[in-house]
Amino acid sequence: KNQVEQSPQSLIILEGKNCTLQCNYTVSPFSNLRWYKQDTGRGPVSLTIMTFSENTKSNGRYTATLDADTKQSSLHITASQLSDSASYICVANSGANNLFFGTGTRLTVIP
Amino acid sequence: DAGITQSPRHKVTETGTPVTLRCHQTENHRYMYWYRQDPGHGLRLIHYSYGVKDTDKGEVSDGYSVSRSKTEDFLLTLESATSSQTSVYFCAITGATTEAFFGQGTRLTVV
Repeated sequence: KNQVEQSPQSLIILEGKNCTLQCNYTVSPFSNLRWYKQDTGRGPVSLTIMTFSENTKSNGRYTATLDADTKQSSLHITASQLSDSASYICVANSGANNLFFGTGTRLTVIP
Repeated sequence: DAGITQSPRHKVTETGTPVTLRCHQTENHRYMYWYRQDPGHGLRLIHYSYGVKDTDKGEVSDGYSVSRSKTEDFLLTLESATSSQTSVYFCAITGATTEAFFGQGTRLTVV
């Protein structure tokens, strides 16, 4: 069964701290994996995309990693800011625009 | 938001009434999707379209129908709304890349 699991479900961190979000996927065939950020009341917006041949990709303070062998991905946020408070959704693509969504990690950054 | 708009943004309707949600894009993208987002479930695919008059069911299609008579418009219809269809509905589009661009969402409440 194609599925994407994320952990933790929710996370609270202090402003300025780092955090790592996890994503495990069992999607076959596998094409690529994206991390999306969803602010409250808005639609998700893509942060990064990784194919099976890529191990790490950065977008500012966001760094995504991918281990295609273990089918795991992580999103590391450095020096968190209040504006990072959002839900982060992992999405695996099995090709032909066939997308599988995780349930997301709700991140809250507090001052 | 990548030239994709949803209407209405909010709607309250009574059980048993028909409801139509509209998604309009200005990107000329081939693929359009309707998702619903509920707590604990993440985004779940209702229906999608891969061209004018070409549509297919997603994992939670019961009680929903769609139509796409023009490239830019994708309509989602609840034939007879039920309380279980209270949700936030997102439209998305994908083009040559597999990045999904989402609308702002429609919050539907069925009372």
